[in-house]
This record gives sequence, C-alpha cells and structure tokens, in this order.
Amino acid sequence: GAVVSQHPSRVICKSGTSVKIECRSLDFQATTMFWYRQFPKQSLMLMATSNEGSKATYEQGVEKDKFLINHASLTLSTLTVTSAHPEDSSFYICSAKGQGAGYEQYFGPGTRLTVT
Amino acid sequence: QKEVEQNSGPLSVPEGAIASLNCTYSDRGSQSFFWYRQYSGKSPELIMSIYSNGDKEDGRFTAQLNKASQYVSLLIRDSQPSDSATYLCAAYTSGTYKYIFGTGTRLKVLA
Repeated sequence: GAVVSQHPSRVICKSGTSVKIECRSLDFQATTMFWYRQFPKQSLMLMATSNEGSKATYEQGVEKDKFLINHASLTLSTLTVTSAHPEDSSFYICSAKGQGAGYEQYFGPGTRLTVT
Repeated sequence: QKEVEQNSGPLSVPEGAIASLNCTYSDRGSQSFFWYRQYSGKSPELIMSIYSNGDKEDGRFTAQLNKASQYVSLLIRDSQPSDSATYLCAAYTSGTYKYIFGTGTRLKVLA
C-alpha cells in the first residue's frame, strides 16, 4: 500500500518551454501533497504544499507564477514549470500524506528535469 | 528557524555490524519523526516512523525517540552492503503541517 507515482520519470525540454509533472496517489486518498526539489548532493528542498481544492502554499523564495501547482482531486497533483531555464534543471519529487491518523508521507519516484 | 540536524558522514561500518544514526531537532512542537533511506539518484523511501518516547523495532531497524533531549536515532542491525545509502531524518509538526528534513547521513557498509 501507500504507492505514489510520478510521470514522467525523466524529461528534457528546451529553454522557454513549459513542462508538466503529474503526481498520483494510487491506493490512498491524499489530503495533502508536497513538492520538493533536490539538487545533486543536497538535501530535499520543500517548494510548496498543496491541499485538494485549495491554492498551494509556496515556500519563501519559490515563484508561484513559475511553478504552477494544481491539486484537483484527492489522488492527483500537478506541477507545471513554466518558461523553463537551465537553472531549473533538477530532481523534482512529490510526496503524499494520507487522511488517516498517521503522519507518514510517501514519496513518488521523482522526475529528473533537464532544460537545454 | 526550526531545524533538524544530522551528521553528514560518511559513517562507515563493516558488514554485520550495528550502524547508529543520530538526529536532533529544535522544535519542541514536533510530534512525529521519520527515517527515510535514499539511494543515489532515487527518491526517499520511508523506513520507520516513531511518535512516542522509547524504542520501536521493525526487522533489523530500531528507531529511538527521546523528546526531552529532542533526539531521534536509528539503529540498523546486521548491516548489509545494500544498506549503503543516505538516511534522512524528518520531523513533522501539525501546527505547520510541514516536514522538516535533516541534510542526511551517508552510510557505507563495507563488505
């Protein structure tokens, strides 16, 4: 149980284009989903928290107009990187927290974005 | 600023030994704690969660929590080379609805 999928696993795009990443909780309903970014040899950096049906809450320094997050249902959240630039190249990982009493969050497998 | 601190390592242990990973946190409001394992190039995988003071065992893993000392640890018994990874400690505070991660400890199990 507690499986989170992410698609695509790897994407290469040209500078100036937009990329959408999907995050799905496959066997549970996720009241909250988180989006992280991780640069090589660094720890996870929380970008934003999204709750189903609400606007995402972005961390300080994360541009909400550049990283568009939509949490349309209890099993799906999307992150769109708009007008991507090479410095946006990173490993993007989503996670989901269920509705139960526990506070475990489960991570998707991640999406490696390369902007050329 | 709320923080979770870990020694970055690497921590090297011989195969079959006990690996001890430690973590301290600054927010006394943190109520839930988690250990994740992350292999290079992969996303984190949940190993253990612990909410109450004391020990919690799951197979070769034991998590320990001491809220008075604001200290969490993970023991890995009979360490295997496949346990070589970075171990992330995380604290969750329901007041902020966020998980705060440490920078991780790199573990190397030597065959």
